[in-house]
Amino acid sequence: GAGVSQTPSNKVTEKGKYVELRCDPISGHTALYWYRQSLGQGPEFLIYFQGTGAADDSGLPNDRFFAVRPEGSVSTLKIQRTERGDSAVYLCASSLSGMNTEAFFGQGTRLTVV
Amino acid sequence: AQSVTQPDIHITVSEGASLELRCNYSYGATPYLFWYVQSPGQGLQLLLKYFSGDTLVQGIKGFEAEFKRSQSSFNLRKPSVHWSDAAEYFCAVDSNTGNQFYFGTGTSLTVIP
Repeated sequence: GAGVSQTPSNKVTEKGKYVELRCDPISGHTALYWYRQSLGQGPEFLIYFQGTGAADDSGLPNDRFFAVRPEGSVSTLKIQRTERGDSAVYLCASSLSGMNTEAFFGQGTRLTVV
Repeated sequence: AQSVTQPDIHITVSEGASLELRCNYSYGATPYLFWYVQSPGQGLQLLLKYFSGDTLVQGIKGFEAEFKRSQSSFNLRKPSVHWSDAAEYFCAVDSNTGNQFYFGTGTSLTVIP
């Protein structure tokens, strides 16, 4: 597509529920990143995919968070047993090969856990 | 570990005035440095980047930044601000692995007529 697409743009869920956030990167971009941006903060790294594999998942805060990219394009960030502290904007970015090449960000999914 | 500090949480400038947004980084080697802009409801957009070479880099929308190793700084500048420049600005440094950025907390820019 023309840019990185994230769906939904907004998600409200109840504490304890499971959510999935989707990222559709720019066609041909092998690198895909998830970041989380809390209010008043800069984006914080969650996970980096190179192709289908997670090359670096050191930013995932705990085992409730998981992400997949089964075919090397679309990625899904999955959060189990959501907590109010998970409320944030989740940003996805893609680049041709790595972050040293220009990364293009989506508009993000605003997750609110009530 | 790498880190980025943006000392100014919020800056207000008059339209047509010059602008400088501060960024200090902590990194053991020569860093890769970036400035991104985030407008309300929009994704992060890359303004400019520094990898090596000329320490004064030019970006989009009339922005420039200067890498100063001695001061561990990468300040963003614009000679004449436009109302459309009102946004959140983030400085970022690359990790050792190139897998991720470390972002600062951002500087919110307000432009007054």
